[in-house]
Amino acid sequence: AQSVTQLDSHVSVSEGTPVLLRCNYSSSYSPSLFWYVQHPNKGLQLLLKYTSAATLVKGINGFEAEFKKSETSFHLTKPSAHMSDAAEYFCVVSGLTSGTYKYIFGTGTRLKVLA
Amino acid sequence: DAMVIQNPRYQVTQFGKPVTLSCSQTLNHNVMYWYQQKSSQAPKLLFHYYDKDFNNEADTPDNFQSRRPNTSFCFLDIRSPGLGDAAMYLCATSAGQGVIKNIQYFGAGTRLSVL
Repeated sequence: AQSVTQLDSHVSVSEGTPVLLRCNYSSSYSPSLFWYVQHPNKGLQLLLKYTSAATLVKGINGFEAEFKKSETSFHLTKPSAHMSDAAEYFCVVSGLTSGTYKYIFGTGTRLKVLA
Repeated sequence: DAMVIQNPRYQVTQFGKPVTLSCSQTLNHNVMYWYQQKSSQAPKLLFHYYDKDFNNEADTPDNFQSRRPNTSFCFLDIRSPGLGDAAMYLCATSAGQGVIKNIQYFGAGTRLSVL
C-alpha cells in the first residue's frame, strides 16, 4: 500500500526567506510523486512531478523538490518566498489500482507568507 | 490552450433539489475523475471513468451519480443534496496510458452551496 505524510499542517515564513514543505512517502515500488498548489477557491495546479528520472526536480514558480529514497522523502523548497506563494500545498503519490492510476493525497500544508 | 473546464464555478441549490455539475476537457484524455473537497481537507475521490467504464469508490454515497456521454464531457449528478454535500467539487483528467499516463490535470472546481 502507498501513503504520503505531510509533516506540517501550517508553515509561516517571511517574504524573501526560504520555504520548506515536508513530505514523506511509503511505497512498495518506485513511486510517482507530485506537488500541487491550491489557491483559495481554485483548482489544483501541478507544481512538479517525480517519475523516476532526475532526483532533483524543478517546477514552476521557482519551486523544486528532491527525491531521497533513503529517507523516503520528497520535500518541496523555494529559495525566496513571495506573497503570491501563500496557498495550500498537497503532496501526492500515484498508485495503480484495478488498472487505473489514482492519487493518494497528503493532508495538505497551508503556507502563510508574512510581509 | 488545452484545459479542463468546470461549469458553473459557483452553484447554489436547495436541500433535496437535484443538481448537475459539468466538466469538459480538450486534452482528449481517457480518464476523468470527480473529487469532493471539503474545507481544509484533501480532495476525496468519488468515482472515475476510464473511457466508458465507470468505477465507483466503495464509500461514495448512492446520492452521487455520474455520466460521461463522450470523451470530452463528464457530469456529476447529486440526486438529493443534503447540507453535508456542500463542498468544492473538482474534476480532473489523465491520459491513462503513455509516458504521462498518471498525471492528473484539474479544473478550477465548482463550489456547491446547499440552502
